[in-house]
Amino acid sequence: AQSVTQLGSHVSVSEGALVLLRCNYSSSVPPYLFWYVQYPNQGLQLLLKYTSAATLVKGINGFEAEFKKSETSFHLTKPSAHMSDAAEYFCAVSESAGTYKYIFGTGTRLKVLA
Amino acid sequence: NAGVTQTPKFQVLKTGQSMTLQCAQDMNHNSMYWYRQDPGMGLRLIYYSASEGTTDKGEVPNGYNVSRLNKREFSLRLESAAPSQTSVYFCASSEVLNPYTEAFFGQGTRLTVV
Repeated sequence: AQSVTQLGSHVSVSEGALVLLRCNYSSSVPPYLFWYVQYPNQGLQLLLKYTSAATLVKGINGFEAEFKKSETSFHLTKPSAHMSDAAEYFCAVSESAGTYKYIFGTGTRLKVLA
Repeated sequence: NAGVTQTPKFQVLKTGQSMTLQCAQDMNHNSMYWYRQDPGMGLRLIYYSASEGTTDKGEVPNGYNVSRLNKREFSLRLESAAPSQTSVYFCASSEVLNPYTEAFFGQGTRLTVV
């Protein structure tokens, strides 16, 4: 079965600093990977997804993620953090054994310091 | 465009009581899902329905039942609530055209069992 691992349940960065949130997936082939964001008391919203068209994927709000097969990683980055980026971020993989299920990581809560 | 609508948003139950969480989507999606979110554990799949008329167990189905009433609606029932079922519940739907298709989430139901 597919799985994803998110390193770091809490990450703090200063406003304007680089954001790096880590996600590694299990080595089953092929990976269908997603990043979601959850703002307080809200549902999950798609940030970006890997479609195999390009290894560097651009999403909303200035976020991007790079697919690295050799490292089985799909880390999320943003060059300059904004206060509004404070949220919980989830990496997910789609498991497609006939029917599609979405398997989520445990999440990383991003805190942005003024 | 409503997307995925969940009712109620908040609920407090006494141990042993029953209730049904309602979910409806207006995107004509085939697949629907119920997840629970607990601190430090990410989202865990309870049940899913790949298409109208089918339902399957996910990772944590014990204590729950589901009904895919029609293409739009997918309900989750707790027959005898337990404190361990205190959680935030999310319904999601997906068109599942291909493995890269993302899921769309409702705003969640915050359930407390006392």
